[in-house]
Amino acid sequence: NAGVTQTPKFQVLKTGQSMTLQCAQDMNHEYMSWYRQDPGMGLRLIHYSVGAGITDQGEVPNGYNVSRSTTEDFPLRLLSAAPSQTSVYFCASNRQGTGELFFGEGSRLTVL
Amino acid sequence: GENVEQHPSTLSVQEGDSAVIKCTYSDSASNYFPWYKQELGKRPQLIIDIRSNVGEKKDQRIAVTLNKTAKHFSLHITETQPEDSAVYFCAASNAGGTSYGKLTFGQGTILTVHP
Repeated sequence: NAGVTQTPKFQVLKTGQSMTLQCAQDMNHEYMSWYRQDPGMGLRLIHYSVGAGITDQGEVPNGYNVSRSTTEDFPLRLLSAAPSQTSVYFCASNRQGTGELFFGEGSRLTVL
Repeated sequence: GENVEQHPSTLSVQEGDSAVIKCTYSDSASNYFPWYKQELGKRPQLIIDIRSNVGEKKDQRIAVTLNKTAKHFSLHITETQPEDSAVYFCAASNAGGTSYGKLTFGQGTILTVHP
């Protein structure tokens, strides 16, 4: 049982490039979410999903797209990277009816 | 939307002392309040949570109190140990115990426990 797996762990992009952060969970959790963590700002919700085919925006969705075609996978796409998107990104999942989020190990993204 | 303020931003204590971290929230509809611990370079992990129908919850050396009227909640760690050193985040949700994965986090408190 791997839990929540994120790839890549580190990535450097140039401004304007696009990329996808992958997230997979093997706990059969209904809910998945993406957060970004910046110094002094805690974790901020980007997008979340309550099930396959259902996604919604969080607090800071601009510049990011998500889709949820299966229960297991929830990729985060950066359409045109900007330096302001330099951050550590965490994917999380939780079971319906429970509040505990299970986080992945994080992906550190640097946009030059 | 919800806004969660967390204080202090840094906290330094001696081993064996108690540590208290406080959070306030703005949305009176919030009803689920978890606390996460994040060690350096690691992922956040839930250490304790409380729902709005409960005023206090304890788990060994950790306790959380909730004041719904004042819209604030606090984390209390007693008999601190060096391994308690980490960043602690409070959070709030208005989706009850399910949270739907939607949490509003505080800014974090860096706790350092000196041996």
